[in-house]
Amino acid sequence: DTAVSQTPKYLVTQMGNDKSIKCEQNLGHDTMYWYKQDSKKFLKIMFSYNNKELIINETVPNRFSPKSPDKAHLNLHINSLELGDSAVYFCASSQEAANIQYFGAGTRLSVL
Amino acid sequence: AQSVTQLGSHVSVSEGALVLLRCNYSSSVPPYLFWYVQYPNQGLQLLLKYTSAATLVKGINGFEAEFKKSETSFHLTKPSAHMSDAAEYFCAVSPRGSNYKLTFGKGTLLTVNP
Repeated sequence: DTAVSQTPKYLVTQMGNDKSIKCEQNLGHDTMYWYKQDSKKFLKIMFSYNNKELIINETVPNRFSPKSPDKAHLNLHINSLELGDSAVYFCASSQEAANIQYFGAGTRLSVL
Repeated sequence: AQSVTQLGSHVSVSEGALVLLRCNYSSSVPPYLFWYVQYPNQGLQLLLKYTSAATLVKGINGFEAEFKKSETSFHLTKPSAHMSDAAEYFCAVSPRGSNYKLTFGKGTLLTVNP
């Protein structure tokens, strides 16, 4: 049973469209994250939620909006997609005391 | 602000040879340090972490790393490379305390030649 699952695995879309990526964790963790990995494999944190509260919000365009309906879910909605949004997006989760983040398999977003 | 530098974007070794992947960090106080591995088309998997106990940390798959405060380094080693070790390796740092933001290095691609 997958600990951190993301859907979809692949997402191909046109510029200007709006899309969402879903993330769910069944580890009982209280903190969830979104990371972006660019074409050069560089990983950068975008957002983090702890118990449904936003705790990390890096310099990310406001076209990106995270939503956490409960502790087990953190979704990422992207408006008006641009070519530069093409990347692999990773969701992760951790339990505060352990400080180890567990990653999902990633969502490869291609904006045409 | 914390940062991580991984020396060498690509390391190539022969099967059975020593693996050494270098990582240096910048932080005003010793942070938490991690090594993650990413196999092709997969997510990241934790290899090992340093929090503040022993300076020599043993991880999975025969990897280990040594925290050296004087050198601000946390290099990853494995005595004998296996073909299955071929992957991208990321060093990461996070501050102590309640903010668990991970800052990653740019990654080192390890290739293992037969």
